[in-house]
Amino acid sequence: DVKVTQSSRYLVKRTGEKVFLECVQDMDHENMFWYRQDPGLGLRLIYFSYDVKMKEKGDIPEGYSVSREKKERFSLILESASTNQTSMYLCASLGIYEQYFGPGTRLTVT
Amino acid sequence: AQSVAQPEDQVNVAEGNPLTVKCTYSVSGNPYLFWYVQYPNRGLQFLLKYITGDNLVKGSYGFEAEFNKSQTSFHLKKPSALVSDSALYFCAVRGTTSGTYKYIFGTGTRLKVLA
Repeated sequence: DVKVTQSSRYLVKRTGEKVFLECVQDMDHENMFWYRQDPGLGLRLIYFSYDVKMKEKGDIPEGYSVSREKKERFSLILESASTNQTSMYLCASLGIYEQYFGPGTRLTVT
Repeated sequence: AQSVAQPEDQVNVAEGNPLTVKCTYSVSGNPYLFWYVQYPNRGLQFLLKYITGDNLVKGSYGFEAEFNKSQTSFHLKKPSALVSDSALYFCAVRGTTSGTYKYIFGTGTRLKVLA
């Protein structure tokens, strides 16, 4: 079975802090994704990566950056956390057609 | 532009009754369509997909979905609902004419199965 893990299930940070969310997959997938999930808005794509060191902006990249130094690891960085970044963050990797999701990180910025 | 619509925020159904969760899409080219389920405080789990071939696709936990090209729909169905099916369901589409693997998700439909 494909396994996608995320570094934290719950995280509480203060406004202005730099926040790192990490995602690791164990299936040698090339494509990985970061989404945020908010009630009534579904999943919105922040960034995705199609290879090591390659990345592309999604629909809502503002305030975020990403890093993909190794194939199995895709990190999401909030350079200076703000309260409007309080959300559920989901990482996914892409098999042949379907995506495999991690358990999510619920981030609260106070 | 690609889009997915799930017109119902919530669907209530009695246990043992058939259920339908609706999804319509807009995409150029042939669509790749997916259904995912999310249980509380969990990530999304893949249920089923339509890529090509038979319009009726079967997936996990007894779910199936029917691809209807003329109506641009991909409704999720189950003949007999269980209380344990209560969850949040997402429809997603990937357009095959796109040069990159971007997936568009609907806003989700909460299914409540009443005992």
